[in-house]
Formats: sequence, structure tokens, C-alpha cells
Amino acid sequence: DAGVIQSPRHEVTEMGQEVTLRCKPISGHDYLFWYRQTMMRGLELLIYFNNNVPIDDSGMPEDRFSAKMPNASFSTLKIQPSEPRDSAVYFCASSRRQGAGNEQFFGPGTRLTVL
Amino acid sequence: DAKTTQPTSMDCAEGRAANLPCNHSTISGNEYVYWYRQIHSQGPQYIIHGLKNNETNEMASLIITEDRKSSTLILPHATLRDTAVYYCIVRVVPPAAGNKLTFGGGTRVLVKP
Repeated sequence: DAGVIQSPRHEVTEMGQEVTLRCKPISGHDYLFWYRQTMMRGLELLIYFNNNVPIDDSGMPEDRFSAKMPNASFSTLKIQPSEPRDSAVYFCASSRRQGAGNEQFFGPGTRLTVL
Repeated sequence: DAKTTQPTSMDCAEGRAANLPCNHSTISGNEYVYWYRQIHSQGPQYIIHGLKNNETNEMASLIITEDRKSSTLILPHATLRDTAVYYCIVRVVPPAAGNKLTFGGGTRVLVKP
């Protein structure tokens, strides 16, 4: 199993540009999560999907952020327009089902730098 | 979900057992204790979870006190590769609270030769 795949691994962009982060969850997993990690705020959940449907987006910082999951094997997190304060490591994770033993598997992350 | 309290950092010697404490005094009866770790520059990794009984797997052991207000993660023979930030998380079993994990500050563990 390839695990959760994220691309790109590193992204450097200028303020005002659109940024799209991509994630391929583990095959067969029903849940997909987007997290953001910064030194100041730690690891925060942004949004999660169940069966491609957004369930909780209360962690999405503002309207500049949007996430989609068009099918079970692909999700995107888009920032438009990007700002320097969006610089962080963005992780995607997936899990198989509900229940106590359904650990989340994390991808390697995308390190985003907005200049 | 109940809040957890962990020491900010701790050191341990390579080859020795590492005992990582976690306080969750406000835990409810339907909340599980989960442990994840994050090695530098990697995504978090699941370690173990439990409700009230002690649990063991190939990575670690989890000891939960009888009143469930605290727990200890034990790495039986710490190696340099165990150097990481360890997160103790308490959460309600889905579907009542969805499938969310809330990460706190964790304990930064440094395994020394």
C-alpha cells in the first residue's frame, strides 16, 4: 500500500497567487482529513470528508480556503488568494471507517511558503 | 472531547523504557485515549489506543489508571528513531462526535545514546 499521497511536497509562491494542494487517500478509506501545522498554533483540523461529502469545515480559516473531494481517490485544498500567514505544513490523512480502532493515516505533508 | 495535559519535554536513554504520562482528569465514560507521534518532518503516526484496559501492540503499551483520569504510554526499549513529539488525545467514539482528532502540544521526547 502506497499510503496517503500528497503533492506537491514543497510549494513556494507569492502573496496573492492561487495555491492548490492535492491528496490521494488510501484506497478503501471512507474519511479524508485536511490539517495545518504551524509553530504557533500546532496541528489544526481544517475540514474532513466522509464518503466524499464535507462533514465539518469549522476549522477552515476563512473564505480564501476551499476544499473539494470529487471522488473517493482525490481531494484538493485551495487557497485563493494566498497570504504570508498561510505558510505552514498541510497534512492530509485518511481513515477506514468509524469506530474506536479507526486510526488516521497521515501523508508526508506539503510545506507551503507564501512570500 | 476531554482536555489532556502532558509534560512539554522529556529525555530518555537509548535501550531503556520510556514512560510518557498523560493526565485526562475530565475524561468521560465514552471517551477513548489515543496516542500518536510525529517524527520530525513527517506526518503523525498512530501508536495505540484504549478505553479502560491496558493495551499492548508491537510499538508500545498503554496503561490506564482504574479511575481513567491518567494514562502512561510505555516504549519498552527506546531507540534513537523514537525521538519524536508524542500526542495524547482523548475523544468520544464516533458517530457522536464525528471522526475528529484534536491535537494538543504533546511531549517532545529525545532519546539519547
